[in-house]
Amino acid sequence: NAGVMQNPRHLVRRRGQEARLRCSPMKGHSHVYWYRQLPEEGLKFMVYLQKENIIDESGMPKERFSAEFPKEGPSILRIQQVVRGDSAAYFCASSPSGRHEQYFGPGTRLTVT
Amino acid sequence: EDQVTQSPEALRLQEGESSSLNCSYTVSGLRGLFWYRQDPGKGPEFLFTLYSAGEEKEKERLKATLTKKESFLHITAPKPEDSATYLCAVQAAQAGTALIFGKGTTLSVSS
Repeated sequence: NAGVMQNPRHLVRRRGQEARLRCSPMKGHSHVYWYRQLPEEGLKFMVYLQKENIIDESGMPKERFSAEFPKEGPSILRIQQVVRGDSAAYFCASSPSGRHEQYFGPGTRLTVT
Repeated sequence: EDQVTQSPEALRLQEGESSSLNCSYTVSGLRGLFWYRQDPGKGPEFLFTLYSAGEEKEKERLKATLTKKESFLHITAPKPEDSATYLCAVQAAQAGTALIFGKGTTLSVSS
């Protein structure tokens, strides 16, 4: 049973470029969450999605960040015009309906140069 | 404001030396408390969910307990492979399904 998959595992972008991070939830899971982990800080919630719907984006920066979970394909976290402060590990998690625990992927480490 | 504080930040143990990690929380309506293990360069690995005070869960050398204000992760006779960062998170009724994480306790077990 494959776990949560994320790609790429490492991503290097120059300031001003766009970053696209992908997440495929565990089989049978319909809820997807994105978290960010900055150096020396804890994991911070960004956004919660179900298929074709954003349920809670209260942790998402208002500008440059967007997320989607289309009917077909992986969930995408998109960061436009990246800045050095966006350098972090971005984790995706998924959960099945009716359950509270979230299962995390291996993360994407974004480095902005 | 919902908050999670873990202590100590770092803990060094000898193999076989039992100890406990603490997770104190302030939350408006606890929906659940979660323990995760995170190895360097990897994503958090789910360990336990606790829902109400007095509840206990066990898995191998780990035992998690919950009170109204804190949770403990007890490690009995640890082995070097238990070395990792242990994360505590809460799910608050008013925060929907988002997990609020503490900064973690980094455990090192030497043989």
